[in-house]
Amino acid sequence: GENVEQHPSTLSVQEGDSAVIKCTYSDSASNYFPWYKQELGKRPQLIIDIRSNVGEKKDQRIAVTLNKTAKHFSLHITETQPEDSAVYFCAAREPNTGNQFYFGTGTSLTVIP
Amino acid sequence: DAGVTQSPTHLIKTRGQQVTLRCSPISGHKSVSWYQQVLGQGPQFIFQYYEKEERGRGNFPDRFSARQFPNYSSELNVNALLLGDSALYLCASSLAERNYGYTFGSGTRLTVV
Repeated sequence: GENVEQHPSTLSVQEGDSAVIKCTYSDSASNYFPWYKQELGKRPQLIIDIRSNVGEKKDQRIAVTLNKTAKHFSLHITETQPEDSAVYFCAAREPNTGNQFYFGTGTSLTVIP
Repeated sequence: DAGVTQSPTHLIKTRGQQVTLRCSPISGHKSVSWYQQVLGQGPQFIFQYYEKEERGRGNFPDRFSARQFPNYSSELNVNALLLGDSALYLCASSLAERNYGYTFGSGTRLTVV
């Protein structure tokens, strides 16, 4: 099955700086990649996603880039704020049936005021 | 409109016991998926049900079973509980069988002692 690796496991940035989280995947047929934000004690929430027919997608301060050749995708958060502090998970959808997602191990982001 | 609801929110069980977790999807969503999230890890796929049929099963032992009812709500059952079953169990609902972004419930925190 698909294998998703995520780095770094922890990340601390000063408020206002940018944060980048990177993920790689193993199955070149994978074609949909969501990102989830999970605040402490809460459920994962979808924050942005990208399909394999585009290379970049932006939503205000958040962007995701995809390099299909290298099989990696990244989450970029600009002008970070304390409320961005959370655990972020990348995921790849199983390409054949589309009935499950393979998640990375998570990145704990701390934004220091 | 209610989101994905799960019950109970917390549960403590003894090794060897059985547990049933419940999930109600968003109104109109016909697909329910179950994930196990061990502390410090990303969610791992257990089952997907769509239109009351099992559509996918992750790498979990037969002690794990699930079903979906005519109203699309779902139950996850775990028999012969082990300490390693302690985790946050997340239910996710989506409109279609082939999933794009999920909406997760808040989860059931299961502790096995």
